[in-house]
Amino acid sequence: DTEVTQTPKHLVMGMTNKKSLKCEQHMGHRAMYWYKQKAKKPPELMFVYSYEKLSINESVPSRFSPECPNSSLLNLHLHALQPEDSALYLCASSLGPSGGSSVEQYFGPGTRLTVT
Amino acid sequence: EDQVTQSPEALRLQEGESSSLNCSYTVSGLRGLFWYRQDPGKGPEFLFTLYSAGEEKEKERLKATLTKKESFLHITAPKPEDSATYLCAVIQGAQKLVFGQGTRLTINP
Repeated sequence: DTEVTQTPKHLVMGMTNKKSLKCEQHMGHRAMYWYKQKAKKPPELMFVYSYEKLSINESVPSRFSPECPNSSLLNLHLHALQPEDSALYLCASSLGPSGGSSVEQYFGPGTRLTVT
Repeated sequence: EDQVTQSPEALRLQEGESSSLNCSYTVSGLRGLFWYRQDPGKGPEFLFTLYSAGEEKEKERLKATLTKKESFLHITAPKPEDSATYLCAVIQGAQKLVFGQGTRLTINP
């Protein structure tokens, strides 16, 4: 099973709202990722968690706050977003950050976020 | 800096018309080249990982190959359901995927 689940599928929020995106995997993967994807563009990395610790932050604005409560769950907390933050937010997971093989990342279906 | 360039940007084929998509890469120490398929509004679906020049992998009508500078995704006798955006990516550092811009493939019946 290579399934990564994300909720909600769609989210509409105002610029003053606080909301959260959720991601879950049960493949025993120890690395989890958040990507942002704008229309007709490839995914762009935002954050990486390895063994439940934040290992990469791609200079993402503080209005995006990631959290990894355990090895199966990943959250993205959203606050005071701007309309330009509207995008498809993708979660992914991989076995781990080791230097060996099996580094492929498996993506969830995404959350379509619209900021009004 | 690691770079991935895909061509063509878009490709229209008739059903059954075989073709190839190209992915050129510049990376210091290739640790893996990945192909993904993405349908509109959905997450990328993993297809293949290639690690070294000369390696080939196949899945149904798709075959991926790798040289020291580029990778090809060959599509044999495509069907309309093969229509999607195909993304190529390399690993930068330990975990960061660097994607190409993708090739939008349309198969007309």
